[in-house]
Amino acid sequence: DSGVTQTPKHLITATGQRVTLRCSPRSGDLSVYWYQQSLDQGLQFLIQYYNGEERAKGNILERFSAQQFPDLHSELNLSSLELGDSALYFCASSVVGTGVYGYTFGSGTRLTVV
Amino acid sequence: GNSVTQMEGPVTLSEEAFLTINCTYTATGYPSLFWYVQYPGEGLQLLLKATKADDKGSNKGFEATYRKETTSFHLEKGSVQVSDSAVYFCALIPGGNQFYFGTGTSLTVIP
Repeated sequence: DSGVTQTPKHLITATGQRVTLRCSPRSGDLSVYWYQQSLDQGLQFLIQYYNGEERAKGNILERFSAQQFPDLHSELNLSSLELGDSALYFCASSVVGTGVYGYTFGSGTRLTVV
Repeated sequence: GNSVTQMEGPVTLSEEAFLTINCTYTATGYPSLFWYVQYPGEGLQLLLKATKADDKGSNKGFEATYRKETTSFHLEKGSVQVSDSAVYFCALIPGGNQFYFGTGTSLTVIP
């Protein structure tokens, strides 16, 4: 157990729907990062939050949004889902606002859009 | 820009064989370099890291040396075990917040 908790582990939904993925960072970590892992794109950085504020943005679609709450858990919202959004979504956390010392990853949420 | 290139997999080795997984990078500035491992059904785990040129990262028998002159960070292990079967990702962080990952190399070790 890495200490980073992601729920749900699996999600199957239809095109056009909206889902919310949840991440609780490791105790004491202030930064949360979201990554998408797909077969054709590999691991793509989506977004980072640090202590409730957006810190960095990567290849995140406009249909996707995220936030980090006062208790430091984070949610990734995916809307108007398309078949191509099917992927593993990972959350990672770190103590500081930069990842230069490495992240701790959760075990991921597998999203299947049908 | 920033990018990581890993050798294509899959790699299949017999137990106790020597492992090398090549990784080269392109980066602005002086990045930190990492190897992550992903076991089936799990998230990525940090295997080792190096933060400056000529540093050697090591863990669980795996080693990698940060070579600035060849922009490489090859992963090596002298004697692999069945339990090393996983996908290995080379990654860099150029000093900011975002990791750049390679495409991953799948390793299967057969008894």
